[in-house]
Amino acid sequence: QKEVEQNSGPLSVPEGAIASLNCTYSDRGSQSFFWYRQYSGKSPELIMFIYSNGDKEDGRFTAQLNKASQYVSLLIRDSQPSDSATYLCAAPVRDSNYQLIWGAGTKLIIKP
Amino acid sequence: GAVVSQHPSRVICKSGTSVKIECRSLDFQATTMFWYRQFPKQSLMLMATSNEGSKATYEQGVEKDKFLINHASLTLSTLTVTSAHPEDSSFYICSARRGLAAVRSYNEQFFGPGTRLTVL
Repeated sequence: QKEVEQNSGPLSVPEGAIASLNCTYSDRGSQSFFWYRQYSGKSPELIMFIYSNGDKEDGRFTAQLNKASQYVSLLIRDSQPSDSATYLCAAPVRDSNYQLIWGAGTKLIIKP
Repeated sequence: GAVVSQHPSRVICKSGTSVKIECRSLDFQATTMFWYRQFPKQSLMLMATSNEGSKATYEQGVEKDKFLINHASLTLSTLTVTSAHPEDSSFYICSARRGLAAVRSYNEQFFGPGTRLTVL
């Protein structure tokens, strides 16, 4: 059973600090990963997509992928109260109808 | 681009009635659409995957006769909850995939805003 695991949190971070969200996966063959953000009562929206080992930066967000250690992380710099949400990690399921396997999500709380 | 709409956004119905939820990709053709259900404080649960013009593939434990999915065109999929009961009350979310195989993120799913179903 392929899995994507996340700490459910909540993760509490002071405003202005760096929030670090982690995700581990069991399928060593996984090639790419998505980070989605979901506000309470809303549907998920894409934050980052990462394919290659290393870092990918987009504004205040940096995704890090380490295929050898099978983890992917999301860093949020200069955290704002508006970043408070649940962050979902997802990976494509191989040999499926383009499905994604989802982590349970980490709830992030940014404290003013 | 890649906007997905969902209608209605909220519905309240009596037990035993049927409810239809529409999911539309507004500015792209969706080769694959997905239906999820999410209970409060829980993660997304995939209910079914559908491709245009073919029968949906349901996840284990999801009753296909209760949750009818029709993917009639490349821009429209519908989910009908038949004979709804209070335990069907949930947040139903559809997503769509563009299917641009030349792009590495071709598995990216674009989500509709969701439908909150309350069955009395």
